[in-house]
Amino acid sequence: EAQVTQNPRYLITVTGKKLTVTCSQNMNHEYMSWYRQDPGLGLRQIYYSMNVEVTDKGDVPEGYKVSRKEKRNFPLILESPSPNQTSLYFCASNSPGGNTEAFFGQGTRLTVV
Amino acid sequence: RKEVEQDPGPFNVPEGATVAFNCTYSNSASQSFFWYRQDCRKEPKLLMSVYSSGNEDGRFTAQLNRASQYISLLIRDSKLSDSATYLCVVVYTGRRALTFGSGTRLQVQP
Repeated sequence: EAQVTQNPRYLITVTGKKLTVTCSQNMNHEYMSWYRQDPGLGLRQIYYSMNVEVTDKGDVPEGYKVSRKEKRNFPLILESPSPNQTSLYFCASNSPGGNTEAFFGQGTRLTVV
Repeated sequence: RKEVEQDPGPFNVPEGATVAFNCTYSNSASQSFFWYRQDCRKEPKLLMSVYSSGNEDGRFTAQLNRASQYISLLIRDSKLSDSATYLCVVVYTGRRALTFGSGTRLQVQP
């Protein structure tokens, strides 16, 4: 079954404690991205990757890091989380080309206290 | 101004009603257009792509007006199961990132 898997689904952490949210896809997609979703603001892109070892900033990259060492994995790293990073996070993957469907993970609900 | 704008709603309609959502985009270098559906607290899923000539999928019709830079989604004969948030998505030429509108919430009532 084609899927994007994120872990954990829920996380409560304290300010400053480094955390990683994992994302893995089994569709051999070149393109992967991370979004955060906040009420009234919709989904905003944090980082994206067009292929292995190729990453770039999205619209709201501050406070986040990513890596793409393997095609299937695209972890999101918060080196020093702050309360304003409390949000719902989605990982997505799709093939190149302008008209391809993006598949999303089930989301990670992060609370930073 | 947001790159992709939608009326947030909510649109409260009775079962069987026809409802239409519009979405405007600001960047004329837009390549592809989609409607995604998102149920509460779940991941977005593709509802349909939007083609220049307009396209239909069962009760759903999507249209694109490049000159006026808007896309629309029409839902006929609304069902309770259509209750969700509908996200307008634009892909810009050369960027391949999905740019989302904030979503329009639809509540179909019995």
